[in-house]
Amino acid sequence: DSGVTQTPKHLITATGQRVTLRCSPRSGDLSVYWYQQSLDQGLQFLIQYYNGEERAKGNILERFSAQQFPDLHSELNLSSLELGDSALYFCASSVDGTANTEAFFGQGTRLTVV
Amino acid sequence: AQSVTQPDIHITVSEGASLELRCNYSYGATPYLFWYVQSPGQGLQLLLKYFSGDTLVQGIKGFEAEFKRSQSSFNLRKPSVHWSDAAEYFCAVGYFGNEKLTFGTGTRLTIIP
Repeated sequence: DSGVTQTPKHLITATGQRVTLRCSPRSGDLSVYWYQQSLDQGLQFLIQYYNGEERAKGNILERFSAQQFPDLHSELNLSSLELGDSALYFCASSVDGTANTEAFFGQGTRLTVV
Repeated sequence: AQSVTQPDIHITVSEGASLELRCNYSYGATPYLFWYVQSPGQGLQLLLKYFSGDTLVQGIKGFEAEFKRSQSSFNLRKPSVHWSDAAEYFCAVGYFGNEKLTFGTGTRLTIIP
């Protein structure tokens, strides 16, 4: 158990809908990362937050948004869902969000868009 | 832009045999290098990491990796694999001031009895 909690574990929804994925980081970790894992794209970095502020942005679509709340949990919002958004979405957390600090991954949320 | 190449999509080895998984990175600066393992239905677990110093690093579960700057490589090794090592292995690279990790496409390891 990495200490990073993601909910829900599985999500099935229809095209055009909006979903929210939730992540609770390890106790004491200030930084949260979101990654998307799909068969064709592999593991892609989406976005990083540190102590409530956006720190780095990757290949995140405009239909997607995220935020980190004062209690440090984070949510990833996916809207106007398309079939191609079906993937495993991982959250990771680290103490200070720097590249040389170990990031601990949650077990992921598997999103299926039908 | 930084990139990571894992040239082997799938490797099959016999239980008890040695293992080497290849990883090459591309960037001019000194990288931070990582190997993660993903078991079916699980998240990623860090096996080992290299930031600086000794180029041979030891990790968990008996794995080690060697950083070779001249070859831009960070290959993962294990002298004797166990059936429980069957999983997907990802190499990743990061850099000071560039806080996101870039992952390779992964190598799926199958262990045969």
